[in-house]
Amino acid sequence: EPEVTQTPSHQVTQMGQEVILRCVPISNHLYFYWYRQILGQKVEFLVSFYNNEISEKSEIFDDQFSVERPDGSNFTLKIRSTKLEDSAMYFCASSEGTLQETQYFGPGTRLLVL
Amino acid sequence: QQQVKQSPQSLIVQKGGISIINCAYENTAFDYFPWYQQFPGKGPALLIAIRPDVSEKKEGRFTISFNKSAKQFSLHIMDSQPGDSATYFCAASRAGTYKYIFGTGTRLKVLA
Repeated sequence: EPEVTQTPSHQVTQMGQEVILRCVPISNHLYFYWYRQILGQKVEFLVSFYNNEISEKSEIFDDQFSVERPDGSNFTLKIRSTKLEDSAMYFCASSEGTLQETQYFGPGTRLLVL
Repeated sequence: QQQVKQSPQSLIVQKGGISIINCAYENTAFDYFPWYQQFPGKGPALLIAIRPDVSEKKEGRFTISFNKSAKQFSLHIMDSQPGDSATYFCAASRAGTYKYIFGTGTRLKVLA
């Protein structure tokens, strides 16, 4: 069964450093998403991406964040200058983009900012 | 308006019992309501989903009940098993946006 994959599974970084989280969405899916989950809290939407541009973003997704689809398979989330409060689990998701809006989530990347 | 309220925060059920998790929303534009199951260290996995044009949807031991007038929906897990122990999230989205608004989650523990 096709699945969303994410790398790395864990990332530790120093405050102020740049990090890039990588995702490979399901191959025939057209919409891509990033969500985050701070430990013990709910899953929060960050951004959706379609046709090589951001279709929607939340107030969390400020200028420190960017997304890119550098090739036909990868989808990345970049945090330019990490803060302590960026420590969270980051989930990538994808959906077909049809009437069936099911979003399929990857296993996540646990980011720890020290 | 964008919130989805979920209760209870945690739930302990005996094996074979019924687990019930409730969610409520305010935005009447929401038209898709999925439930996700999340095991520790894993991503959320779709369990079952419903649209407002039906009042109930059943898949195996999992049933969603939907009350459009009350703007509430609930997940019922029949014959709960220890393997069902996980965190359950309800979510909502509306046409024109693919963003999911998640509830706060319910940590379910099924005792053997």
